[in-house]
Amino acid sequence: RKEVEQDPGPFNVPEGATVAFNCTYSNSASQSFFWYRQDCRKEPKLLMSVYSSGNEDGRFTAQLNRASQYISLLIRDSKLSDSATYLCVTPSGGGSYIPTFGRGTSLIVHP
Amino acid sequence: EAQVTQNPRYLITVTGKKLTVTCSQNMNHEYMSWYRQDPGLGLRQIYYSMNVEVTDKGDVPEGYKVSRKEKRNFPLILESPSPNQTSLYFCASRLSRDSPLHFGNGTRLTVT
Repeated sequence: RKEVEQDPGPFNVPEGATVAFNCTYSNSASQSFFWYRQDCRKEPKLLMSVYSSGNEDGRFTAQLNRASQYISLLIRDSKLSDSATYLCVTPSGGGSYIPTFGRGTSLIVHP
Repeated sequence: EAQVTQNPRYLITVTGKKLTVTCSQNMNHEYMSWYRQDPGLGLRQIYYSMNVEVTDKGDVPEGYKVSRKEKRNFPLILESPSPNQTSLYFCASRLSRDSPLHFGNGTRLTVT
């Protein structure tokens, strides 16, 4: 079952670059979506919720496209500290209580 | 501070020796769940619980047990661990089905 798919990367970008990740989902009943950041061998941490109207938090912008069934994460002015794996998650799909995680996109920001 | 607490952080054990990984949350969340994370496979749900005394299997429940006797606690039990259960384990809780998950800081288990 591959209900949420992400390009694993790695995305290798210089500091200051703008980078965007997409995440496609197959369950059209999914109501909410989230982006998480995970550093190596640490727990995933909530980065952003994704709303239909889009959501912006500083350098980060998340958007949802229900017609094409994907969510996106845009990072502007990349910092070295942005290097991590970014996971997209839908907590439930229709009647399911099992969250579906993408396998993550690896971002490496270099000097 | 709102948090999910797992213990232990690291555990090395031998095949067949029963172990328990504890998980506790202080946010009064209804939903709790356990995940394992393996390279190339991402996060996979082992078991979840929607409330006290209500548990159900996730995607990879074989070899694991859970219990939910109190709202705040959700221990993961390996009755007879095997080497293929060597993994990084995370406990998580959430307020409702469509809420974001809050993760514990992980338990790295090695079974030899």
